[in-house]
Amino acid sequence: KQEVTQIPAALSVPEGENLVLNCSFTDSAIYNLQWFRQDPGKGLTSLLLIQSSQREQTSGRLNASLDKSSGRSTLYIAASQPGDSATYLCAVLYNFNKFYFGSGTKLNVKP
Amino acid sequence: DTEVTQTPKHLVMGMTNKKSLKCEQHMGHRAMYWYKQKAKKPPELMFVYSYEKLSINESVPSRFSPECPNSSLLNLHLHALQPEDSALYLCASSRTPGGQETQYFGPGTRLLVL
Repeated sequence: KQEVTQIPAALSVPEGENLVLNCSFTDSAIYNLQWFRQDPGKGLTSLLLIQSSQREQTSGRLNASLDKSSGRSTLYIAASQPGDSATYLCAVLYNFNKFYFGSGTKLNVKP
Repeated sequence: DTEVTQTPKHLVMGMTNKKSLKCEQHMGHRAMYWYKQKAKKPPELMFVYSYEKLSINESVPSRFSPECPNSSLLNLHLHALQPEDSALYLCASSRTPGGQETQYFGPGTRLLVL
């Protein structure tokens, strides 16, 4: 079974810091990788989608990179804000419609 | 409109009850998904509908019965559930099947089985 791992499980930083969240996957034959944000008790919000042929995607203060050969993706958040506090999940698509989610990184940005 | 709606927001049911969860999207998406998420765990895929037909069933117990009456609506019928089925049930949709495009998630239905 494909595995998706996220490190760290939790992260607490002061406001304004740049930070990196990590996602690793065991099988490099992915279709795409997606980063989501989940607020407590809520659904998931898609942040960035990287196709297998791409190396990175950017949206505002977020930048996600993908290195298929090493089985890794990173989500870079610049100038973090308290509103960025949430759980961040990466999900890897291996074949038709089957997403495997990591267990998430719970981020707390302190004012 | 990039919204997926789910009703009800919360549901409490006994083990002998029959209830249904509803999911709706009006984005013209042709793939819809049900996920189950236990507390502090990632979502787990349950079912996938492609063009209103069930394409993936991840070995889900028969007490969960999905239904896709039309391209905008997805139901999950619940019967004789167990307390361990208590979880957040998330619905999602994407423009086309095949997973190449972003999945849009609803807010979820929080289910408690007593």
